[in-house]
Amino acid sequence: ETGVTQTPRHLVMGMTNKKSLKCEQHLGHNAMYWYKQSAKKPLELMFVYSLEERVENNSVPSRFSPECPNSSHLFLHLHTLQPEDSALYLCASSQDPGTYEQYFGPGTRLTVT
Amino acid sequence: SQKIEQNSEALNIQEGKTATLTCNYTNYSPAYLQWYRQDPGRGPVFLLLIRENEKEKRKERLKVTFDTTLKQSLFHITASQPADSATYLCALDLRGNNNDMRFGAGTRLTVKP
Repeated sequence: ETGVTQTPRHLVMGMTNKKSLKCEQHLGHNAMYWYKQSAKKPLELMFVYSLEERVENNSVPSRFSPECPNSSHLFLHLHTLQPEDSALYLCASSQDPGTYEQYFGPGTRLTVT
Repeated sequence: SQKIEQNSEALNIQEGKTATLTCNYTNYSPAYLQWYRQDPGRGPVFLLLIRENEKEKRKERLKVTFDTTLKQSLFHITASQPADSATYLCALDLRGNNNDMRFGAGTRLTVKP
């Protein structure tokens, strides 16, 4: 995909590791989002950024730390995760926070061992 | 508490028939509702949005209805094709600004030739 890209596509990490997920959007959008998708569960909105400022943090544990250095890039820093954090992490963007249509990346499949 | 429910986890239909998927919600008063398609290993793709003052929306073989009294949206795919096989997600935004998007768990549609 050239719209929203995510790296890595797969990640296996131990509970004591520190890793980061990267998202980049090539659409000129101003809003970016992190979602978590666990097996048999709905997508859960984690963080929302608008023009590099965090506008929403949906009660996400502090072991997940987002960073948005500019409107095209979004990171999710991970540390001391738990096995239940294993999931597909999806990044999305939209023109503005109030624009309804969201464009999703392919996701990073995270396994915590 | 607020809930979004998609009627069934899986739906199997024969090619050429109309697929009808249901999204029910409780304790919401959404301004609009969205439908997304998700293929295995990929992020969701936006399909249609319908606002609270619209009864019906169409796009090619897709049709969405929105009944705010019943708190229900129906998603129809007419003349279904095997390529329509995917998981379909409905989504509501509680605040109307994409800062509180809630997704249903999805219905996995399989269209058999």
